[in-house]
Amino acid sequence: GAVVSQHPSWVICKSGTSVKIECRSLDFQATTMFWYRQFPKQSLMLMATSNEGSKATYEQGVEKDKFLINHASLTLSTLTVTSAHPEDSSFYICSAPQTGGPSFYEQYFGPGTRLTVT
Amino acid sequence: GENVEQHPSTLSVQEGDSAVIKCTYSDSASNYFPWYKQELGKRPQLIIDIRSNVGEKKDQRIAVTLNKTAKHFSLHITETQPEDSAVYFCAASPNPGNTPLVFGKGTRLSVIA
Repeated sequence: GAVVSQHPSWVICKSGTSVKIECRSLDFQATTMFWYRQFPKQSLMLMATSNEGSKATYEQGVEKDKFLINHASLTLSTLTVTSAHPEDSSFYICSAPQTGGPSFYEQYFGPGTRLTVT
Repeated sequence: GENVEQHPSTLSVQEGDSAVIKCTYSDSASNYFPWYKQELGKRPQLIIDIRSNVGEKKDQRIAVTLNKTAKHFSLHITETQPEDSAVYFCAASPNPGNTPLVFGKGTRLSVIA
């Protein structure tokens, strides 16, 4: 099946600093990627839809100036958490549908990035 | 937009018994309904999915049923084993090729040996 990677798998940063998370589709092209956030013992909540070559679409309540998304190529989307605060500590997961692939309906998830802000 | 409700939030069963998790959705345009298993600290793992043109799908001990009229779908796990213990999420989407999945709140399944 298709593979999506994320880097880093975990990161600890100090309050006020910025952190960049990468999401890569390794063996397929993804014109669209989705970023989710998952707090402990909760479900996955969509943060934004990342579109290659255009601006991301953010969900209501997600600050676009705080969570910067760049989808610069057909295999890479990045999420930058700017001026991170402890309440941003969470599990961030990306997913990508395989555009034009044999399994049209399946979305492939990255392994997630555990962010801890101290 | 789509809203997915999932019940129960926790479920404990004896090993060998069956487990059933139910979800309802609100958007009649949704046509893809996957189920995911998530272990602590890991990514959601697709275990089975169903499309709106199918009423039931089975894969070994796992089955999913869909009632489009009532807008609900269910996951059935038979002959449960301790390794089935995890959090299970249902999801729905009208067009998963370019629209995101909307997830239920999850069910924590515990299989007691």
